[in-house]
Amino acid sequence: KAGVTQTPRYLIKTRGQQVTLSCSPISGHRSVSWYQQTPGQGLQFLFEYFSETQRNKGNFPGRFSGRQFSNSRSEMNVSTLELGDSALYLCASSSRAGGPSDTDTQYFGPGTRLTVL
Amino acid sequence: GNSVTQMEGPVTLSEEAFLTINCTYTATGYPSLFWYVQYPGEGLQLLLKATKADDKGSNKGFEATYRKETTSFHLEKGSVQVSDSAVYFCALPTSSGTYKYIFGTGTRLKVLA
Repeated sequence: KAGVTQTPRYLIKTRGQQVTLSCSPISGHRSVSWYQQTPGQGLQFLFEYFSETQRNKGNFPGRFSGRQFSNSRSEMNVSTLELGDSALYLCASSSRAGGPSDTDTQYFGPGTRLTVL
Repeated sequence: GNSVTQMEGPVTLSEEAFLTINCTYTATGYPSLFWYVQYPGEGLQLLLKATKADDKGSNKGFEATYRKETTSFHLEKGSVQVSDSAVYFCALPTSSGTYKYIFGTGTRLKVLA
């Protein structure tokens, strides 16, 4: 079974631009979560989608948005990029409708490394 | 909400040494607890998990026991290898039944041959 895939793997943008990152979950998985990883703040939750609906949201400004398509693929968008948005953006997928259980695991992709100049 | 405190790194060990990485948590109820590992240039991989008190998660020689009395989930391995060099994260849901996880700060492990 193919794992979680994220595209692109690396991205360089300049301040003020916008960017769209893509995540394809494991086949059959309907929950997709996004995290931002930086050396200073560590791993921080951005949002989670399930069946095309945002189910949870972290404490990020409105410049960060996401969506999920009917095939469970998800995109996140960052508008008006700032230098501080440079980070590794990780996507994770899971199959269960609810939260973690002893029969379920959240699987992470390799991430997209975004550099803002 | 729930929170997690993880031992600061880096940790440098010789091959075959014993490893302990401390993780303590505060939580309402008894959420599942997780250890994830991140190898250089990669995403996170689930290392092990425990879903209830006194459960022991294990994988690849690593173990962690869900201790309700001490609110801890320390990661241990009896004999580390150079290939174990990575960053290790303790994690739990911010509240019951959600994939909104909170992660520890990560502990970088370096194993020397």
